[in-house]
Amino acid sequence: KNEVEQSPQNLTAQEGEFITINCSYSVGISALHWLQQHPGGGIVSLFMLSSGKKKHGRLIATINIQEKHSSLHITASHPRDSAVYICAVTGNQFYFGTGTSLTVIP
Amino acid sequence: SQTIHQWPATLVQPVGSPLSLECTVEGTSNPNLYWYRQAAGRGLQLLFYSVGIGQISSEVPQNLSASRPQDRQFILSSKKLLLSDSGFYLCAWRGVSLDTQYFGPGTRLTVL
Repeated sequence: KNEVEQSPQNLTAQEGEFITINCSYSVGISALHWLQQHPGGGIVSLFMLSSGKKKHGRLIATINIQEKHSSLHITASHPRDSAVYICAVTGNQFYFGTGTSLTVIP
Repeated sequence: SQTIHQWPATLVQPVGSPLSLECTVEGTSNPNLYWYRQAAGRGLQLLFYSVGIGQISSEVPQNLSASRPQDRQFILSSKKLLLSDSGFYLCAWRGVSLDTQYFGPGTRLTVL
């Protein structure tokens, strides 16, 4: 069993839809990260959070430490949001989820 | 600011050939460095990490090896590539707070 589980694995949405990607983890952590991997492969960090909620533009990330669960929300989705979104946690080392492949259709 | 360089960006190699991927970091000293592999349709897998020159820890037994000849240089090597070595290889370094990790642009390796 992976230390970090994401759902769904694949997601297709129409432009403008509200999107939610979920992440559950089973290890003790000091922080949780949401990463975005573009089709070319490059990875950028979207959020790092250890409690509560963070917002950056149309992206919102929340974490519930007690439930060991985090969600990434995208409001008013756009085709340029199409990417793989990866949840990762920092414990003794970095543990990565397998990613959620998002396709936003115009 | 900190920057990670990886080269080459893409590589196509025959089975049985050697491999050398290089990663260099700028803007920081004595970083913790990491090599990850992402196989098609799978998550990131930690291969090696290094906390200093000449110090290498392996997470997964395989035909790959890593070396750190200089503080900000991390090299991934193989003497004989296998088909299963195909994938996307990412170098990363861990920030001072140890909670943040920064990724290089990656190398896409195809073994034929």
